[in-house]
Amino acid sequence: QVQLQESGPGLVKPSETLSLSCTVSGGSVNYYYWNWIRQPPGKRLEWIGNVYYTGSTIYNPSLKSRVTISVDTSKNEVSLKMTSVTAADTAVYFCARDRRWLANWGQGVLVTVSS
Amino acid sequence: EIVLTQSPGTLSLSPGDRATLSCWASQTVSNNYLAWYQQKPGQAPRLLIYDASTRATGIPDRFSGSGSGTDFTLTISRLEPGDSAVYYCQQYSSSFRTFGQGTKVEIK
Repeated sequence: QVQLQESGPGLVKPSETLSLSCTVSGGSVNYYYWNWIRQPPGKRLEWIGNVYYTGSTIYNPSLKSRVTISVDTSKNEVSLKMTSVTAADTAVYFCARDRRWLANWGQGVLVTVSS
Repeated sequence: EIVLTQSPGTLSLSPGDRATLSCWASQTVSNNYLAWYQQKPGQAPRLLIYDASTRATGIPDRFSGSGSGTDFTLTISRLEPGDSAVYYCQQYSSSFRTFGQGTKVEIK
């Protein structure tokens, strides 16, 4: 059974870059799309974007200018970078494996943007 | 962008009741590429239904999905206390995935 584990700093300062990793175990990143989704406290899920194992990406247009999603097949890992963060980027960030539907999710990591 | 609108915002029902949750799309969801997820506090969403009506592995048959085009429904028959959660629909017919705003199901 594939397992996903997000990791990264829980606190980021405004205007800095948020960097998260998603480590995949029990399966390979190959041949799948990998998504990042976030959820501000008490709010709905927001799709950030995804990456195919080949490296091709699709982003939410509202975040596209600030987001980079990448995959490292040698490490079996997916990454998210978001630049110029503000308090509005405070959220739980999830990674999820895409089989068109999102069958497998990580537990999520809370990132707080605050000085 | 396909906008998904869920209703009602909150459902308050008793154990054994039937819950009917709706999800409307702003444009046709091709191939019925729509999923339903259950999210409990502090947890990641759990896949319940995909392709509008196919139950995911391990999901009890009390959960069923139906609909097509722009109008979709999740039905939970015989509610149990453990069904208390927020339920989201999500479309994947567009490369730009979108989620509904969620329906909260409360068990009295």
